[in-house]
Amino acid sequence: GAGVSQSPSNKVTEKGKDVELRCDPISGHTALYWYRQRLGQGLEFLIYFQGNSAPDKSGLPSDRFSAERTGESVSTLTIQRTQQEDSAVYLCASSLSSGAAAPAQNTQYFGPGTRLTVL
Amino acid sequence: DAKTTQPPSMDCAEGRAANLPCNHSTISGNEYVYWYRQIHSQGPQYIIHGLKNNETNEMASLIITEDRKSSTLILPHATLRDTAVYYCIVRGNQFYFGTGTSLTVIP
Repeated sequence: GAGVSQSPSNKVTEKGKDVELRCDPISGHTALYWYRQRLGQGLEFLIYFQGNSAPDKSGLPSDRFSAERTGESVSTLTIQRTQQEDSAVYLCASSLSSGAAAPAQNTQYFGPGTRLTVL
Repeated sequence: DAKTTQPPSMDCAEGRAANLPCNHSTISGNEYVYWYRQIHSQGPQYIIHGLKNNETNEMASLIITEDRKSSTLILPHATLRDTAVYYCIVRGNQFYFGTGTSLTVIP
């Protein structure tokens, strides 16, 4: 079946512009995660959605970053007034659920990422 | 979330077993250990998970110590395609991936 898809695959923007990154999770997955990965570094958690619960925004680095999710489907990550330090690969993942009682359902499936370059 | 410690890099000869260690000394009783890997320019890929018993699947084996403070991922017959960064994660509300271990399989 279809995996997690992300668009665009690459985005080059100028400093100060706003960008929107899109994630289409696997159908039926209630949990959705956004991560940032700078060159040569590990994944940095940004935000997490679980069903209709309030999202966990604890990883967002500043108020320039926001994300929305429509029900249990597509999510968009928005970065306002982009800075050069925002340059990174932005990865989205989804899982069936995120409850501790069902670890197999917590397996995250990742999309290919969006490579953002801020000039 | 419990944090994990992994060596930054390891080499392994092709065809030999690759043993990747992970320390998670602050793990709590109901937290699972997950392993993922990330091949260059791709999103991370799930490998295996476990709680306290050793686990095996078609990709790898996971050995968790009795006190659960450390674990080892074993790739029984490493191939060149296993060259990747391997992440050991202890689940909380979200995954803390850290910087992982960069495994290089040498021909």
